[in-house]
Amino acid sequence: GENVEQHPSTLSVQEGDSAVIKCTYSDSASNYFPWYKQELGKRPQLIIDIRSNVGEKKDQRIAVTLNKTAKHFSLHITETQPEDSAVYFCAASSNSGAGSYQLTFGKGTKLSVIP
Amino acid sequence: DGGITQSPKYLFRKEGQNVTLSCEQNLNHDAMYWYRQDPGQGLRLIYYSQIVNDFQKGDIAEGYSVSREKKESFPLTVTSAQKNPTAFYLCASNNVGANTGELFFGEGSRLTVL
Repeated sequence: GENVEQHPSTLSVQEGDSAVIKCTYSDSASNYFPWYKQELGKRPQLIIDIRSNVGEKKDQRIAVTLNKTAKHFSLHITETQPEDSAVYFCAASSNSGAGSYQLTFGKGTKLSVIP
Repeated sequence: DGGITQSPKYLFRKEGQNVTLSCEQNLNHDAMYWYRQDPGQGLRLIYYSQIVNDFQKGDIAEGYSVSREKKESFPLTVTSAQKNPTAFYLCASNNVGANTGELFFGEGSRLTVL
């Protein structure tokens, strides 16, 4: 089965600095890579995702890069703000073909943005 | 107001007792999932269902059971066979037809075994 490793487990940055979280996956058949943000006491929410036919995707201050050869993908947050403080999870999945996604999640990164 | 509703939010149970967690969605999503979240462990898939009356085991199905009699409902039973049931349980769904992959989560149920 798929195995997803996520690093670092905790990350502290000064407000305005950039934050980078990295994940590696094991199954070369995986083709979908989402990132979820979970604020304290709340449900996880999708913030960005990328598919294996794309190398990079941006959405305002958030970007994700994918290296299929090395089997790793990264989340980049620029100009961090206190509201970015949360736990971030990466995940990997191969679409079952029926439309459902059996995601394998990393263990999470707790990001703290210091004002 | 569309979404996924989990109940109860907090649940306490004695060892040896079965307990059922409710998950209801009004998003008209075909696929539903149950995840378990433990501190520092991420989210691990327990069971998932792509259509009514069909479900598959995830990575940690032992000690759990599910049913999918209605599209809107996907209850999870934590049985006495689950050796370490104290955890935070998250239900999710996604729109198979849209093929977006985005999971919509409920607010979770926290189970504590006394």
